[in-house]
Amino acid sequence: AQSVSQHNHHVILSEAASLELGCNYSYGGTVNLFWYVQYPGQHLQLLLKYFSGDPLVKGIKGFEAEFIKSKFSFNLRKPSVQWSDTAEYFCAVILIKAAGNKLTFGGGTRVLVKP
Amino acid sequence: DGGITQSPKYLFRKEGQNVTLSCEQNLNHDAMYWYRQDPGQGLRLIYYSQIVNDFQKGDIAEGYSVSREKKESFPLTVTSAQKNPTAFYLCASSISGRTDTQYFGPGTRLTVL
Repeated sequence: AQSVSQHNHHVILSEAASLELGCNYSYGGTVNLFWYVQYPGQHLQLLLKYFSGDPLVKGIKGFEAEFIKSKFSFNLRKPSVQWSDTAEYFCAVILIKAAGNKLTFGGGTRVLVKP
Repeated sequence: DGGITQSPKYLFRKEGQNVTLSCEQNLNHDAMYWYRQDPGQGLRLIYYSQIVNDFQKGDIAEGYSVSREKKESFPLTVTSAQKNPTAFYLCASSISGRTDTQYFGPGTRLTVL
């Protein structure tokens, strides 16, 4: 069965620290990849996405992610976090198949940035 | 002001009652989706609709029903057959097919007492 794994359930770090959240999926074919963020009390928002082309994609609010096909990974990074980055982050993958495509979410990572 | 609206934000119901959650979009998107969010499990697909008058079951459709009579509306009914209905429900839409980017509404938190 297809799956998306986010290995860290909770991350706590201080302002100005660097952030990297891991995301791995289990599928050898073509994929569309997404990172969504859910700030406290707000709805799920798209941070960035990858469909094709340059595997290093830049999103909003200084976030970037790198697609490494050989590792089935799409890790999210931010060089210097702010308190306002406190949120839950979800990786999501669409497995492009001949018979139906489905957006599958990872379990989420809660990030707490201490001021 | 374009987007996806869900109402109500909070909903309380007694066990055994059916309840309908509203989802409306004015983005002119063809496809709409319902997800359920539980802590530590990410989002799981309940139902989706790629076009008016058509919808398909997702991974956890048991105990739920939907309709898609209008392009902009995709209501979800949580029936008494759903064994564990207390959850946060999210509606989403995308331009067309299931490979497109999905955009989400603010969600409805349903609590069954």
